[in-house]
Amino acid sequence: AQSVTQLDSQVPVFEEAPVELRCNYSSSVSVYLFWYVQYPNQGLQLLLKYLSGSTLVKGINGFEAEFNKSQTSFHLRKPSVHISDTAEYFCAVRDTNAGKSTFGDGTTLTVKP
Amino acid sequence: NAGVTQTPKFRILKIGQSMTLQCTQDMNHNYMYWYRQDPGMGLKLIYYSVGAGITDKGEVPNGYNVSRSTTEDFPLRLELAAPSQTSVYFCASIGGPRGELFFGEGSRLTVL
Repeated sequence: AQSVTQLDSQVPVFEEAPVELRCNYSSSVSVYLFWYVQYPNQGLQLLLKYLSGSTLVKGINGFEAEFNKSQTSFHLRKPSVHISDTAEYFCAVRDTNAGKSTFGDGTTLTVKP
Repeated sequence: NAGVTQTPKFRILKIGQSMTLQCTQDMNHNYMYWYRQDPGMGLKLIYYSVGAGITDKGEVPNGYNVSRSTTEDFPLRLELAAPSQTSVYFCASIGGPRGELFFGEGSRLTVL
């Protein structure tokens, strides 16, 4: 069984400031890790994913995330946010041998001018 | 490029009614999923399928049924609708275990 904990339900930040959205996971087997973004009244879109290799992964819109196996974390970062980054962000894990994904409860990022 | 298409986008049901949410994908993906999203919560898996003719329960299957007669289609059936089934439903698909989930735009269901 797997679980995902997103440590902050809401993150308010000013435009052009850096941001980190935190994600911890628990799993007894190897997993793939994902971050998705959801804009209002839309489905989820992939931001980035970690499958193997380099622990620092870069995604779309200037986001990046670092996989830390010892701390079982996959935190999402952006050095300078824009108003358009305001959205809901979901961390997800998937067992490498199965097709089911487990999602965290989401973090609402609000970027203020 | 249609991707994953869900219908209807909105629906209001009365308690005890039944309905089917339709989902079709044109990417030839084997894996398909139905999730529900409640306010302030993440996505909970209802049912999933790893290929035509194969379906399995997720975390919250009670009150729902699915079928997968073709690779493209994965309808979700709600029997005897209850207020607890008021939610936003998302259909998604992936081509394999390493792939990203492709989501439909969602179906907002209200049961009164």
